[in-house]
Amino acid sequence: GAGVSQSPSNKVTEKGKDVELRCDPISGHTALYWYRQSLGQGLEFLIYFQGNSAPDKSGLPSDRFSAERTGGSVSTLTIQRTQQEDSAVYLCASSFLSGQFGYTFGSGTRLTVV
Amino acid sequence: QKEVEQDPGPLSVPEGAIVSLNCTYSNSAFQYFMWYRQYSRKGPELLMYTYSSGNKEDGRFTAQVDKSSKYISLFIRDSQPSDSATYLCAMSLQGGSEKLVFGKGTKLTVNP
Repeated sequence: GAGVSQSPSNKVTEKGKDVELRCDPISGHTALYWYRQSLGQGLEFLIYFQGNSAPDKSGLPSDRFSAERTGGSVSTLTIQRTQQEDSAVYLCASSFLSGQFGYTFGSGTRLTVV
Repeated sequence: QKEVEQDPGPLSVPEGAIVSLNCTYSNSAFQYFMWYRQYSRKGPELLMYTYSSGNKEDGRFTAQVDKSSKYISLFIRDSQPSDSATYLCAMSLQGGSEKLVFGKGTKLTVNP
């Protein structure tokens, strides 16, 4: 596609429920990133996928968070047993590995846990 | 101390003003420095990037990096109402395809 596509754009869920957030990166981009943006906190790195390499999960805040990337393209971020502190905008980005600099971000999924 | 510090503002200027946005950082190993612009309810978009110390100019925007002081700046000349957005600095150890460390962002309003 022309840009990074994320769905849903907004999600309201009850505390304790599981949610899945989807990211469709730019075609041909080998790297995919998830970041979280909380009010007043800036962007926080969550996880990074590069080709067929093992993902860098060092930013995932707890074992309730997981992500996968199927076929080197679409990625799903799953949050289990959601808590109110999980409320944030979840941003996905993609990029080429080398020779191309900078990420292209999607518009994000705004998650509200009530 | 956070790795990247950025004054959140808000910053309000009249149209045509020169805007200066700044970040400081603590990790001397950062090599690549970026500025992103984020409009409300949108994802950040890359504005400028620089490698190591020096200046880079693109139209009305100039990015400066002073590695000796661990200080980066973005200057906007002849600011326009369409420049009203949140500006985020970001930096990385490698070439931009690695994870970035972001500042919290500075909210800028340019008044007509």
